[in-house]
Amino acid sequence: DTGVSQDPRHKITKRGQNVTFRCDPISEHNRLYWYRQTLGQGPEFLTYFQNEAQLEKSRLLSDRFSAERPKGSFSTLEIQRTEQGDSAMYLCASSLRPTTSGTRTGELFFGEGSRLTVL
Amino acid sequence: KQEVTQIPAALSVPEGENLVLNCSFTDSAIYNLQWFRQDPGKGLTSLLLIQSSQREQTSGRLNASLDKSSGRSTLYIAASQPGDSATYLCAVRPLWGNDMRFGAGTRLTVKP
Repeated sequence: DTGVSQDPRHKITKRGQNVTFRCDPISEHNRLYWYRQTLGQGPEFLTYFQNEAQLEKSRLLSDRFSAERPKGSFSTLEIQRTEQGDSAMYLCASSLRPTTSGTRTGELFFGEGSRLTVL
Repeated sequence: KQEVTQIPAALSVPEGENLVLNCSFTDSAIYNLQWFRQDPGKGLTSLLLIQSSQREQTSGRLNASLDKSSGRSTLYIAASQPGDSATYLCAVRPLWGNDMRFGAGTRLTVKP
């Protein structure tokens, strides 16, 4: 397994268009996360899945954003009616579910990101 | 709400120097803390993870420490090399919840 992969790496779109990003996590990882990062800032949490269930969503995830993980494997993040403020790097990460005993740490592994530019 | 701060925002050192990057967090109820490296336009690469019960972790020339009670972590890089030039980010996982909070990072430049 080569790690977390994201597609496309770059997307340029016009305001008002819809875009979709795909993430393929490390195969044995049951947790998948989406983050957004703007220039000079750290990543901000958007949402995460455990298997196919979306368990947590940030306030940052407006109703124009939707994420799915239909079979508990890959995930998609769709942005409808894009705005210039949506321009950012969208990062996907995966991990194993951490255990209270600490035998699994929940270490995050990130993909290379999908950079979105909205004109 | 957990706030994570990294100081300095940027650091430039000559090759061979030992250096320390700082990370502070406001809520000590954390599950673990993770240090990452990010090259320009790339994703994040995991460097070290420290569980809340641990004091430090080492990997090669890197050593990360954690003082949960004071809300601080440091990343020590020994014998820095130009290839270490990157942005270094720390992130804390809360004890309850799964939204890891990131600092804004320290941009490190190691000059040959």
